[in-house]
Amino acid sequence: AQKVTQTQTSISVVEKTTVTMDCVYETRDSSYFLFWYKQTASGEIVFLIRQDSYKKENATVGHYSLNFQKPKSSIGLIITATQIEDSAVYFCAMRDASSGSWQLIFGSGTQLTVMP
Amino acid sequence: ETAVFQTPNYHVTQVGNEVSFNCKQTLGHDTMYWYKQDSKKLLKIMFSYNNKQLIVNETVPRRFSPQSSDKAHLNLRIKSVEPEDSAVYLCASSLTAISNERLFFGHGTKLSVL
Repeated sequence: AQKVTQTQTSISVVEKTTVTMDCVYETRDSSYFLFWYKQTASGEIVFLIRQDSYKKENATVGHYSLNFQKPKSSIGLIITATQIEDSAVYFCAMRDASSGSWQLIFGSGTQLTVMP
Repeated sequence: ETAVFQTPNYHVTQVGNEVSFNCKQTLGHDTMYWYKQDSKKLLKIMFSYNNKQLIVNETVPRRFSPQSSDKAHLNLRIKSVEPEDSAVYLCASSLTAISNERLFFGHGTKLSVL
C-alpha cells in the first residue's frame, strides 16, 4: 500500500540559511510521482515542486530543490536562503497506480518556522 | 491567483443536520477532488471525480456524498453530521487524472459540529 512519512513535526531556522525537510515513501510501483506542497497560515495549499521517479536528476525550482534517493525511497526538500515568508507547513505527497486511480497521498506535514 | 472556489468559508451546525459545500473551478480541468484535513493537519483523500466517473475512497462513511453537475463543479453533501466530521474540507482540481499532474486547491471550508 502507498504510504508517505514525514518524521519531522517542526523545524525552526534563522532566515537566509538552508533547511532540509525529510520524506520517505512506500510504493510497489516502478513508476510514481513525488510532490511537495506548502500550506500557509491562511490555509492555502500551493504546489512547489515535483520529482518523477524515472528521472535521475533532482528537480529544482527557484530556491526549492529536491534530494531524490530512490534506493532509500527518500525525497527531501531543500530550501536555500530561507525567508520569513517561507514559514508554513510543508507536505510531501505521492501518486502511484497502486490504488488503481492515481490518488495523491500526503504525508503528515512539517511545520517550518523561519526566524529573523 | 485562486481558481478553485469554495463556499462557504465556515459552517457551524449541530449533530444530525445535513450540510452541503460547494466547489467550482475555472481552470477547465477534467478532474476534481475532495480532501479532509483534520485538526492535526492530516490530509486524507475522500473522493475524486474524473469525466463523470466517481472514484470513492472506501474509508469514507456513507453519509458523505459528492455531487457533480458538470466537470467544473463538485459539491459535497454530508447527511446527518457527526462530531468527528469537524474538519477543514478542501476541494482541488487537476488538468487530468494523469499521474504527474499537480493539484490546485481551494481555500477550504471549515466545518464545526456542535
